[in-house]
Amino acid sequence: DTAVSQTPKYLVTQMGNDKSIKCEQNLGHDTMYWYKQDSKKFLKIMFSYNNKELIINETVPNRFSPKSPDKAHLNLHINSLELGDSAVYFCASSQEATNEKLFFGSGTQLSVL
Amino acid sequence: AQSVTQLGSHVSVSEGALVLLRCNYSSSVPPYLFWYVQYPNQGLQLLLKYTSAATLVKGINGFEAEFKKSETSFHLTKPSAHMSDAAEYFCAVSGTGNTGKLIFGQGTTLQVKP
Repeated sequence: DTAVSQTPKYLVTQMGNDKSIKCEQNLGHDTMYWYKQDSKKFLKIMFSYNNKELIINETVPNRFSPKSPDKAHLNLHINSLELGDSAVYFCASSQEATNEKLFFGSGTQLSVL
Repeated sequence: AQSVTQLGSHVSVSEGALVLLRCNYSSSVPPYLFWYVQYPNQGLQLLLKYTSAATLVKGINGFEAEFKKSETSFHLTKPSAHMSDAAEYFCAVSGTGNTGKLIFGQGTTLQVKP
C-alpha cells in the first residue's frame, strides 16, 4: 500500500498543452509538497500546502497551479507547457509543516516535445 | 540564505570499502541537516537527520553522519559499502521560517564496484 502515490508515472505531451499530475498520501500527514528535479538531478521546491492552505510558493511561473481539495491530495496543473518544463516532478508529504522528514512519491517524468 | 554544496558529483568505491560522501553547508541560523537517498526510478527517502542533539547521527542501512560546526560540514559515511548502496545521495538543509522547506545539494551518485 503506497504511502505517497502520484499519477501518471510518465507524461509525454506537446508544447502548448495543459496537463495535470495527481498526488495522494495515505499517511494522515498535514503537509504536502511539489518538488521539481531537473535533468542534472537538482531538486527544488515549488509549492507546499498545509491543511489545504498554501504556505510555500517559490518563484514558479503562474502557468503552474497547485490545488489541494483536501489534506490527503495535492494536484499540480500546468498550462501552456513549454520545453523547459520537462523534468521529474515529485510529490511529498510530512506530518506537519515544521517536520522536515519528507515522504516522497516515485515521481512523474514529464517530457514536453 | 541556506545552501548546501556536495563535493563530488560521482563517487566510486569497491564493495566492502569505506563510503564517504561530502557535504558542506551555509546557514545564518543553527541548521537542521539531512541526508536523503534516491534509488533508481524511486522517490527520495530519509537516511538520517541532524537537529542539534548529538553531533554524530546514525541512520538507516548502516550510514552515519557527523556535524562539524567548525568545518560547516555534514559528511555521510558507511564503513563497508554494499552493492545495494548504489544510488543518488542528497544532502539538504532546512530553510528558515519553520516551513518544512528543504534546500537540496546537487546530489552525489554512488557507484559500488564488485
